[in-house]
Amino acid sequence: QSALTQPASVSGSPGQSITISCTGTTSDIGSYTLVSWYQQHPGKGPKLMIFDVNKRPSGISNRFSGSKSGNTASLTISGLQAEDEADYYCCSYAGSSAVVFGGGTKLTVL
Amino acid sequence: EVRLVESGGGLVKPGGSLRLSCAASGFTFSNAWMSWVRQVPGKGLEWVGHIESKTDGGTTDYAAPVKGRFTISRDDSKNTLYLQMNSLKSEDTAVYYCTTEDNWNYDSWGQGTLVTVSS
Repeated sequence: QSALTQPASVSGSPGQSITISCTGTTSDIGSYTLVSWYQQHPGKGPKLMIFDVNKRPSGISNRFSGSKSGNTASLTISGLQAEDEADYYCCSYAGSSAVVFGGGTKLTVL
Repeated sequence: EVRLVESGGGLVKPGGSLRLSCAASGFTFSNAWMSWVRQVPGKGLEWVGHIESKTDGGTTDYAAPVKGRFTISRDDSKNTLYLQMNSLKSEDTAVYYCTTEDNWNYDSWGQGTLVTVSS
């Protein structure tokens, strides 16, 4: 499977909203609601932010939301804060017990 | 609190072998599905494989690039997950993370251990 496609970088000012897209195919995002998003700060392990397209784990701020349309999933962060600056990765089940990640998006809070 | 601590990384020559360990605490390890995910420094994440809980069958699945070379196992009596890596290649150089898995979502991660394959 090929990696999911994410923009290399996005940026926004504190308080603004940003959206990160994640484009796959009919074999992964388009066929399953098993899409998740991970936040990774430098030197740290990733952290689950969204699962099953639009669900938040306990303790994750409601400023983070997820959605899906066709073969593209999206992560929206509203009310940007300095601590949101990190790398973000999408992930989708791809059938036949396989998983594919996106290439990652670097979020800069200006 | 869930805690996952990987160990066993290091420098190994191409064609060599290495076994990674992941010590788990803070949850019922024997009931958990566990995965390994790797990350080339400065690059994206790549799923390596997973192992079901024994009660769910204990089946393992692997990504195509490592199938036949890597083996995931678990010792529930020691709350430890393993990744045996054989026939290592330079492209296996990465930080290897241990994660808990719930329906193809990776909800807790360790800090990772670096594996470098180089002559």
